[in-house]
Parts: sequence; C-alpha cells; structure tokens
Amino acid sequence: GAVVSQHPSRVICKSGTSVKIECRSLDFQATTMFWYRQFPKQSLMLMATSNEGSKATYEQGVEKDKFLINHASLTLSTLTVTSAHPEDSSFYICSARGHRAGNTIYFGEGSWLTVV
Amino acid sequence: SQELEQSPQSLIVQEGKNLTINCTSSKTLYGLYWYKQKYGEGLIFLMMLQKGGEEKSHEKITAKLDEKKQQSSLHITASQPSHAGIYLCGADGSGNTGKLIFGQGTTLQVKP
Repeated sequence: GAVVSQHPSRVICKSGTSVKIECRSLDFQATTMFWYRQFPKQSLMLMATSNEGSKATYEQGVEKDKFLINHASLTLSTLTVTSAHPEDSSFYICSARGHRAGNTIYFGEGSWLTVV
Repeated sequence: SQELEQSPQSLIVQEGKNLTINCTSSKTLYGLYWYKQKYGEGLIFLMMLQKGGEEKSHEKITAKLDEKKQQSSLHITASQPSHAGIYLCGADGSGNTGKLIFGQGTTLQVKP
C-alpha cells in the first residue's frame, strides 16, 4: 500500500482563487518532504523542500509567495497555490523520506490541478 | 548543477524480449533511484543504488551502478505488457539530502 498519500488527486479551481494540496506520510515520520511539478510529457521538476518546523527552501525560479508550503507536523506537508492562473495547471507530486524509511524516497500519487 | 541523461527516450519491444535503459550523470552519484510511472500517476519505487558496482534485482528487473558511480542501467528480462510505462532515474547528488534530480524519462511500450 501507499506510504505517501496526496489529496486531492484532482482539483479544478477558478482563476484568482487558492487551492491546497496535502501530502501525508502514512507509515513514518518525515522531517523533510519535497514538492515537484511535472509538465505534460516531461520529467519532474523540483519546486521546494518542505522542512518540518521551519521555512521551506525553494528552488531557483519558484515563487515562494505563490506556492506556499507548510510542514506543520512530521506527517503532513501542504502546498497552497495562491491566486491561481491557468498556467499553474499542472501535475503536482510530493515525496518524503524520514528516519524510519531509511534512504528510500517514496512519492505520493500526485495531484492534478486545473485552473479555469 | 548535476544533470541526468537517459537513453533511449522511448522504446518499443516485443513481449518476451529483454531491454536495457541507461542513466548517465554529469557528476558522481551519491544515490541513484529508479522509478516507474504511468503518465499522470504517482511514481512507483523500484530500486535504490548507492555503492559503486552495486547490483540489485527484483522480479525481472535488475539495476546496476557502475564503479565510478556515474552511470546506471536498468535491465528487464522477458518483458511483459505490465512493464510498460515511463521509467525515471533520479539522483541524490548533493549528499543524501533526499532531493532528487531526474532524467527525462524513458517511455517503454511492450507489444503483446
């Protein structure tokens, strides 16, 4: 079964609104989680590192005010896309590693965001 | 910055045939991960390699990391339609951070 779960799997929102995506580690505590974005027919692009209890670290070119990341507990990180635009439509996927998971990095099922 | 290049980009094989996918890094790999993905779905963990010369197998899939830790290969024996999908190699190149840089992926089709 899944060890990292994302919710929702699909979401449609109107331009200008905000949408939240959750990433949960199910069998272990994850001090660090990662958020990626995948464009159609392309590979995964790392957006940011989510750190439990501290600020997220964003990759170059990723707007931190647009993609808000909160890692409030050892099993939950959230990505909020603020003031969404159609160009934010994409597949967002998270990964997690933690002390009990060893070095294996597991990914969630991904979330499809469509902004209309 | 580290870059990963996968080859081939796409592959069509007849069921029962063997195949190999390669992943080459521009820098020494700290950890190399192989995943399988169906388009628009999550990544399924296949294998992780860390030591030079390491080889791991699971069912009909074998992954190897070369001694210099800059190239990895994924070999599928007697391919089946269930092996079809996108294979991605990911590198943790900056020292066990868990942050992965991915290759562009290899799309595999297996014809019955």
